[in-house]
Amino acid sequence: GIQVEQSPPDLILQEGANSTLRCNFSDSVNNLQWFHQNPWGQLINLFYIPSGTKQNGRLSATTVATERYSLLYISSSQTTDSGVYFCAVGKAAGNKLTFGGGTRVLVKP
Amino acid sequence: GAVVSQHPSRVICKSGTSVKIECRSLDFQATTMFWYRQFPKQSLMLMATSNEGSKATYEQGVEKDKFLINHASLTLSTLTVTSAHPEDSSFYICSARSGGSQGYNYGYTFGSGTRLTVV
Repeated sequence: GIQVEQSPPDLILQEGANSTLRCNFSDSVNNLQWFHQNPWGQLINLFYIPSGTKQNGRLSATTVATERYSLLYISSSQTTDSGVYFCAVGKAAGNKLTFGGGTRVLVKP
Repeated sequence: GAVVSQHPSRVICKSGTSVKIECRSLDFQATTMFWYRQFPKQSLMLMATSNEGSKATYEQGVEKDKFLINHASLTLSTLTVTSAHPEDSSFYICSARSGGSQGYNYGYTFGSGTRLTVV
């Protein structure tokens, strides 16, 4: 199956700092999504981005499908950005997702 | 937007008993539902995929007789942990997919999860 690796595994930020999270995957995919898991366990969909670049407020994401990686950018981080960020990929849009190991982010005030 | 309701959010049961977890799509028809398991500080591991009206497809290593999945309608899937043991304690999350693209979500909506503790 597809292997998904995320880096770094842990990230501590000072409020206001910018950061980049990376997701590498081992095979071509037609589905790639970024999620944020809050402290209560709820997964929140951030981006559906099998290719290209998208932005939503302070968050943006870029996927370079030909090189099998995706980046999630967090700008001007806030304490509410704390949590775990997961990248998940699938071979076909709408099929099962394989999750990476996640990046645990802690934003300190 | 699409909403998936998962109940209960938290359950404690005695070893040897069975526990049922429900996953409902509230405002869309879920042709496919996925069940995940997450151990503390780990990633989500897919347990099974269920399609309405047919048998679930289990991932390798998941005991289908222990984790019974029923997807009897387009809005409800259930996961029953049978004869639960302490090692079954975990966070279980369901995800539902609608029949078509939802653009931003592309059809995936997650429930809020169920924390199962077997004592």
